[in-house]
Amino acid sequence: AQSVTQLGSHVSVSEGALVLLRCNYSSSVPPYLFWYVQYPNQGLQLLLKYTSAATLVKGINGFEAEFKKSETSFHLTKPSAHMSDAAEYFCAVRTTGGFKTIFGAGTRLFVKA
Amino acid sequence: NAGVTQTPKFRVLKTGQSMTLLCAQDMNHEYMYWYRQDPGMGLRLIHYSVGEGTTAKGEVPDGYNVSRLKKQNFLLGLESAAPSQTSVYFCASSPGGQGADTQYFGPGTRLTVL
Repeated sequence: AQSVTQLGSHVSVSEGALVLLRCNYSSSVPPYLFWYVQYPNQGLQLLLKYTSAATLVKGINGFEAEFKKSETSFHLTKPSAHMSDAAEYFCAVRTTGGFKTIFGAGTRLFVKA
Repeated sequence: NAGVTQTPKFRVLKTGQSMTLLCAQDMNHEYMYWYRQDPGMGLRLIHYSVGEGTTAKGEVPDGYNVSRLKKQNFLLGLESAAPSQTSVYFCASSPGGQGADTQYFGPGTRLTVL
């Protein structure tokens, strides 16, 4: 069975600093991996997804993530945080041939001025 | 396109009452999902549907029922509400298939059971 672990329920960075949100997955077959973002009082929306076409995936709002099979990781990064990046971020995994997507517990990002 | 809409946005129930949450999508998606979101637990799948007239149990189905009589609608029912069902409920839809299927989420329904 697949699973997702997000390291750190809360991350705080200063505006302009590097953002790094960690995600490790467990899957017995090649996975599809996703990062979703949730702004306050809204539903989730897709940031980016890994489909095996390229290990470095670029998403919206300057975010990117790198798939590392040897580390079973899919960490999310952004070179320079902006106040508008404050939100909750969810990593998710779906196995090839599966109907369901499994979400991590989420990491709330705080951005300090 | 409205995308995914949910009705109602807020609801307060007393223990033992029943209610139905409505989800509608206008993207002609095959798959639809109901999740609940609780602090520190991420999203947990309640039920899902891979097509009109079909439903299946997710991770936490107890106390809930669903129906998908029309492709664009997915209803979530609580027959006898309990305080443990206090949560934020999200509906999502996706095109379907077994690839990297992106889910599109509604704005959520905040339910409180007293």
